[in-house]
Amino acid sequence: QKEVEQNSGPLSVPEGAIASLNCTYSDRGSQSFFWYRQYSGKSPELIMSIYSNGDKEDGRFTAQLNKASQYVSLLIRDSQPSDSATYLCAGSDTGRRALTFGSGTRLQVQP
Amino acid sequence: EAQVTQNPRYLITVTGKKLTVTCSQNMNHEYMSWYRQDPGLGLRQIYYSMNVEVTDKGDVPEGYKVSRKEKRNFPLILESPSPNQTSLYFCASSWASTGYEQYFGPGTRLTVT
Repeated sequence: QKEVEQNSGPLSVPEGAIASLNCTYSDRGSQSFFWYRQYSGKSPELIMSIYSNGDKEDGRFTAQLNKASQYVSLLIRDSQPSDSATYLCAGSDTGRRALTFGSGTRLQVQP
Repeated sequence: EAQVTQNPRYLITVTGKKLTVTCSQNMNHEYMSWYRQDPGLGLRQIYYSMNVEVTDKGDVPEGYKVSRKEKRNFPLILESPSPNQTSLYFCASSWASTGYEQYFGPGTRLTVT
């Protein structure tokens, strides 16, 4: 069973701090990873895609991929209360044209 | 505005009464997919489609049907709904036939009594 694992949290950080969200995956063939943000009662929103080893930065967000360790992370700099949400990690499925989602980490940014 | 739309947004029905949840996208995307989201179980894929007339099972296809007769539409059909299909359903679409970078609709909350 291919899996994407995330700590369910909640991860609590003070406003202005760096939030670090982590994800591990079991499918060694997965090539591409995606981070989604989901506010309570809303649909998932794509915030970052990463296709190769290393870091990818977009504004306050940095995604990191380490294929050797099968590890993906999302850093949120200068966290704001509006960043409080559940963050879903998803990886490409090598067996079929689909994404495998983790169950999400709930982030709370304290004002 | 580029978007994925779903209807209805909320539905309460009874066991065994056939229903259809519609999904439409205006982005000319090749790939469309249906998910259900349940507490503690996360997002699980029901069916997906890589193009018109091409569909395939996801992780939890039992009790569901889909069709893709037009590129923009991908309805989800529950022929005989049961209470264990009570869930939050999302439709998603992607420009990539691989299913990368999927964009989600607003969701349909279904209750089967």
